[in-house]
Amino acid sequence: GAVVSQHPSWVICKSGTSVKIECRSLDFQATTMFWYRQFPKQSLMLMATSNEGSKATYEQGVEKDKFLINHASLTLSTLTVTSAHPEDSSFYICSARDSGGSGQPNEKLFFGSGTQLSVL
Amino acid sequence: QKEVEQDPGPLSVPEGAIVSLNCTYSNSAFQYFMWYRQYSRKGPELLMYTYSSGNKEDGRFTAQVDKSSKYISLFIRDSQPSDSATYLCAMSARTGGFKTIFGAGTRLFVKA
Repeated sequence: GAVVSQHPSWVICKSGTSVKIECRSLDFQATTMFWYRQFPKQSLMLMATSNEGSKATYEQGVEKDKFLINHASLTLSTLTVTSAHPEDSSFYICSARDSGGSGQPNEKLFFGSGTQLSVL
Repeated sequence: QKEVEQDPGPLSVPEGAIVSLNCTYSNSAFQYFMWYRQYSRKGPELLMYTYSSGNKEDGRFTAQVDKSSKYISLFIRDSQPSDSATYLCAMSARTGGFKTIFGAGTRLFVKA
């Protein structure tokens, strides 16, 4: 299957600092990537949809100024948690949709390995 | 009512048992159905992918889709302790812009 690389796996930061998480599709082009947040023993909570070359679409209740998303190329999306606070501590996961060479949408989502963010 | 319903478990079975995991859904437009396996503190891994109705088999895993009942299943044969994980069903529809909706996930424990 397709590979999505997510870095870093773990990050610990002080309150008030910003943290950037990278998500890369290694062997396919991803016009659309997704960012999720997951709390212990809970399912994935979609935060935003990242489209290459355009602004991200945020889910209701997600602060776009706090969670900055950039999708500058077909293989890279970044999530920056700005002015992080302890309540932002969570497991963040990205996924990418294989857009397919023919331009037809492919419904398979491939996930990164996740980033555990701990804000002190 | 949630679009996708999935019993969170936990489900505990002995090694070698056949495991049955299920999801129901309400949106008849769903056409694409997926099962993901997620180990603790890891990203979900795509296990099975099915378009429309029918069965699909891959090794010890069988996915079934019954669109008339809006019901999908994942069967695991000869379950192993390494199968212990959370299993998420997911589905999407062309009419919904291919937005993928996930179930809550079922936690499975396979005891040696």
